[in-house]
Amino acid sequence: AQSVTQLDSHVSVSEGTPVLLRCNYSSSYSPSLFWYVQHPNKGLQLLLKYTSAATLVKGINGFEAEFKKSETSFHLTKPSAHMSDAAEYFCVVTITDSWGKLQFGAGTQVVVTP
Amino acid sequence: GAVVSQHPSWVICKSGTSVKIECRSLDFQATTMFWYRQFPKQSLMLMATSNEGSKATYEQGVEKDKFLINHASLTLSTLTVTSAHPEDSSFYICSAREGVSSSTDTQYFGPGTRLTVL
Repeated sequence: AQSVTQLDSHVSVSEGTPVLLRCNYSSSYSPSLFWYVQHPNKGLQLLLKYTSAATLVKGINGFEAEFKKSETSFHLTKPSAHMSDAAEYFCVVTITDSWGKLQFGAGTQVVVTP
Repeated sequence: GAVVSQHPSWVICKSGTSVKIECRSLDFQATTMFWYRQFPKQSLMLMATSNEGSKATYEQGVEKDKFLINHASLTLSTLTVTSAHPEDSSFYICSAREGVSSSTDTQYFGPGTRLTVL
């Protein structure tokens, strides 16, 4: 079975400082992993995805994530936080079946202070 | 890029009435669409998987007679909440998968529908 664990439910950073959102996964197969962002009362926007190609994945808005099989991790980073990065972030893994269902992490709330 | 729309964006209804929510893929054909429910401050909970031209597959604990799903075309899926009650109040989000390789395809999410049942 596949699962994801987001290690922090809440992260607070100052504007201009680095952001680190931690995610560990469990999967019997080579997983496909995603990071999505959700702003208040909005749908989800894809930040980036890993599908067994390059282990360092670059996404939109300056975000990137590194797939580390030995650590079963897929942490999301950004060198410099912007006020607009305040949102909920979800680490997601594909459930290996014929329909491509997703398993969501619990989410990490990011607060950016001036 | 791939865009998914939902209509309505919000709806308020009286207890006992039915509400239909539409999910459309605007610029691609979606072989599979998914319906999620999200409670405040919580993650998304998958309700059902919808494949064009066939019956939806519901997750354990989701009442199929309560939440009717119809995937009539490759660009439209509908979720009907029948005989809605206050406990059905929630944020409903759909997503659509573009490709045929389920494990690597990206799911594109709609903006969500806020349902409030009085």
